[in-house]
Amino acid sequence: DSGVTQTPKHLITATGQRVTLRCSPRSGDLSVYWYQQSLDQGLQFLIHYYNGEERAKGNILERFSAQQFPDLHSELNLSSLELGDSALYFCASSVSAGSYEQYFGPGTRLTVT
Amino acid sequence: AQSVTQLDSHVSVSEGTPVLLRCNYSSSYSPSLFWYVQHPNKGLQLLLKYTSAATLVKGINGFEAEFKKSETSFHLTKPSAHMSDAAEYFCVVSDWGDDMRFGAGTRLTVKP
Repeated sequence: DSGVTQTPKHLITATGQRVTLRCSPRSGDLSVYWYQQSLDQGLQFLIHYYNGEERAKGNILERFSAQQFPDLHSELNLSSLELGDSALYFCASSVSAGSYEQYFGPGTRLTVT
Repeated sequence: AQSVTQLDSHVSVSEGTPVLLRCNYSSSYSPSLFWYVQHPNKGLQLLLKYTSAATLVKGINGFEAEFKKSETSFHLTKPSAHMSDAAEYFCVVSDWGDDMRFGAGTRLTVKP
C-alpha cells in the first residue's frame, strides 16, 4: 500500500458527460501528479500540482482540468467525455517537486460508453 | 530535456534464469533514474532509484540496476526470475527540478 488513495475505483459513464476523480496524497507529500494510461498511448503525464499551485502541464486536453485543495487532496475533472478518454487514471504524490520518487495510487478505471 | 528509451517492449525468460531489462536515457544534467513495476490492474510501485550516489543500486525483490554514464544506460537486472516478477517495468528519468519522463515500458513474461 503506497499511502495514496484514489476514488472511485471504477467509473462508467456516457459520452458527453463530466466526471471528477479524487486523489488523496500520502501524509506529508506536497506534490500531486496525474497520469493517464491507455493501451495505445501508454503512460502519459497530465499535470503536476505542488502545494496548491499548478507546477507543470503535460499532455492534458483542454476538456480536462485539475486542482489541489488546501488540505492537499486533488481532483481531476474530465468533461465532454469521448470514447477515447477511456483509460486508467493514476494519481501519484511525492514529498516535494523535482527529482523525488513518486508514490502511485491504485488508479481509477474510466469507461466511456 | 530528458528522455528515456526502453530498448525492448517485451522480454520473456524462464523461471530461475537471469533477467535483463534495458534502458537508455538522455539528460542535460546529472539525472535521477528510477525503475517502477506495474502488476496487472495495479498502480506503479517503485523498485529502485539512482540519485548520484553509488552507481550500483539495489532495489526490492532482488532487483538491481547499474548507472553507466559513459553508456547513458540504467539497465535493470535480477539473477533469478520468479513467476511473480511477471509484470510491466518502466524506466524513468528526471533532471533536477523537472518532472519525470517515463519510458514506454517493458513487459516481462516468466515461463515455468
